[in-house]
Amino acid sequence: GIQVEQSPPDLILQEGANSTLRCNFSDSVNNLQWFHQNPWGQLINLFYIPSGTKQNGRLSATTVATERYSLLYISSSQTTDSGVYFCADGDNYGQNFVFGPGTRLSVLP
Amino acid sequence: DTEVTQTPKHLVMGMTNKKSLKCEQHMGHRAMYWYKQKAKKPPELMFVYSYEKLSINESVPSRFSPECPNSSLLNLHLHALQPEDSALYLCASSQERGTEAFFGQGTRLTVV
Repeated sequence: GIQVEQSPPDLILQEGANSTLRCNFSDSVNNLQWFHQNPWGQLINLFYIPSGTKQNGRLSATTVATERYSLLYISSSQTTDSGVYFCADGDNYGQNFVFGPGTRLSVLP
Repeated sequence: DTEVTQTPKHLVMGMTNKKSLKCEQHMGHRAMYWYKQKAKKPPELMFVYSYEKLSINESVPSRFSPECPNSSLLNLHLHALQPEDSALYLCASSQERGTEAFFGQGTRLTVV
């Protein structure tokens, strides 16, 4: 099945800093999503981005499907951005999502 | 409306108890999922329902029993659980299997 890698595994930032999170896939990208899991456990949809670039406020994402990776950019980070960021994708058979191991982000005041 | 509602939010149960987790969505999605998430790990797929039929069972122990009474509801029946089953249980739905998924807030289960 599809393998998903995320980097870095952990990231500590000062408030106001920018960051880039990366997601690599072992197989073709089909239905890539980025999520933010808050401290209460809820997975919040950030982007549905099988290809191309999208922006939402301070967040943007780019997926290069031909090279099997996606990037999540966080600009002017805030303490509320802390949590775990997951990327996930459905496999070639349009079935379940496979999650990456996550990037744990801590934004310090 | 992109809401998936799970109840209860928290559940403590003994190893001899029977309980159920509930999940509801009104987005007209035809695929619904149960995931299990242990601390500091990504969610792991347990069950997938597509058009109200179980399509994937990722070799989950029989003490977990899913049910999809209709296209909007998904239940997870729990019986004779073990302490290691304590985890966050997440429900999700998507238009079709493998497309953009939306997650509920989860049920945090503790087995004592």
